[in-house]
Amino acid sequence: GQSLEQPSEVTAVEGAIVQINCTYQTSGFYGLSWYQQHDGGAPTFLSYNGLDGLEETGRFSSFLSRSDSYGYLLLQELQMKDSASYFCACDSGYSTLTFGKGTMLLVSP
Amino acid sequence: NAGVTQTPKFQVLKTGQSMTLQCAQDMNHNSMYWYRQDPGMGLRLIYYSASEGTTDKGEVPNGYNVSRLNKREFSLRLESAAPSQTSVYFCASSEGGGSEQFFGPGTRLTVL
Repeated sequence: GQSLEQPSEVTAVEGAIVQINCTYQTSGFYGLSWYQQHDGGAPTFLSYNGLDGLEETGRFSSFLSRSDSYGYLLLQELQMKDSASYFCACDSGYSTLTFGKGTMLLVSP
Repeated sequence: NAGVTQTPKFQVLKTGQSMTLQCAQDMNHNSMYWYRQDPGMGLRLIYYSASEGTTDKGEVPNGYNVSRLNKREFSLRLESAAPSQTSVYFCASSEGGGSEQFFGPGTRLTVL
């Protein structure tokens, strides 16, 4: 089976940097994806790490360490619109993803 | 280019009623998925179809059936709805590996 752990809630202020951690236990692992979901909306893809290291996409970066079964999403220059839930998800290589329970990010002025 | 579309957006059923949730994608993706999302539970996979003509169970398949009608369409059927199936249902599609999935807007289902 697969399980992912991430904090249930993180708070930060506008302009700050926040890191959302994800640890995983899986029977098979190809990579780690991150998704954003605004309240009442659909999840949208943010990034994917298939290899160890940092992937950068604008203000968002994602990191993976296979040896530690650990990854994180880094959000820089936080904006109010970044308030949302963020999910990490394991790619097992069988065309499916297993999602964590999500981290609610609250950005305050 | 509509991406992934789902119908209906909202639905209220009584216990024991049946219904089919429809999903279609116009991105020519091979793989399609049905998830349910409950508060504090993240997204849980109900069924998926890795390619046209195949379907497989996910984490929580009990009480559901699916049909991959063609490459574009993937439907989810509740034969006898139960209050425990009250949830938000998302359909998604991906090209091949599944790491990047595109989600529909969701169906909010309440079973009384």
